[in-house]
Amino acid sequence: SQQGEEDPQALSIQEGENATMNCSYKTSINNLQWYRQNSGRGLVHLILIRSNEREKHSGRLRVTLDTSKKSSSLLITASRAADTASYFCATGNTGRRALTFGSGTRLQVQP
Amino acid sequence: DGGITQSPKYLFRKEGQNVTLSCEQNLNHDAMYWYRQDPGQGLRLIYYSQIVNDFQKGDIAEGYSVSREKKESFPLTVTSAQKNPTAFYLCASSRAGDRGPYGYTFGSGTRLTVV
Repeated sequence: SQQGEEDPQALSIQEGENATMNCSYKTSINNLQWYRQNSGRGLVHLILIRSNEREKHSGRLRVTLDTSKKSSSLLITASRAADTASYFCATGNTGRRALTFGSGTRLQVQP
Repeated sequence: DGGITQSPKYLFRKEGQNVTLSCEQNLNHDAMYWYRQDPGQGLRLIYYSQIVNDFQKGDIAEGYSVSREKKESFPLTVTSAQKNPTAFYLCASSRAGDRGPYGYTFGSGTRLTVV
């Protein structure tokens, strides 16, 4: 089952612009996490936000969580060509001690 | 350096053959996971384990088997019962606990192709 659905499926921007990706989910969660995947590689953990948090920052990343709307957004500011990758949200809950991943957003940053 | 190692990187399987994918971690993580990724898709959970000698089925466990005899190792066997095994397989590990699941560390993946 795919709990999280990212939007948009693909995004193309110019270097220096901001990129925003959204994630919606269906059930109650303990936390929501964002990962990055470069083509053909494993995923890299970016940030974790707990269900009682509304916003979190890490470097150029800003994540928001709205549990009433069951949605989250990932903002990458001042994007770089090296940010080109697929980005996935993943949700965790106490009922199953494993993450459920969304379908991902493919981000292309043009130099 | 601590990390998680998957091998082999590429694997070719003949019809009707069982193959085993290796996953080893030296991060002292209790929890380990196997996911399958098809082209352009997200990750789907195959099996996961929170502790040695215990594991649970994920969403697509049919045609797969696992063992967890050691904390460091979580091998995945793709059996002949798995009719469409061609995919990218990802292993991950994390701390375990009541407020989890915690952030995963992923291996670099094994690309399995049926020939």
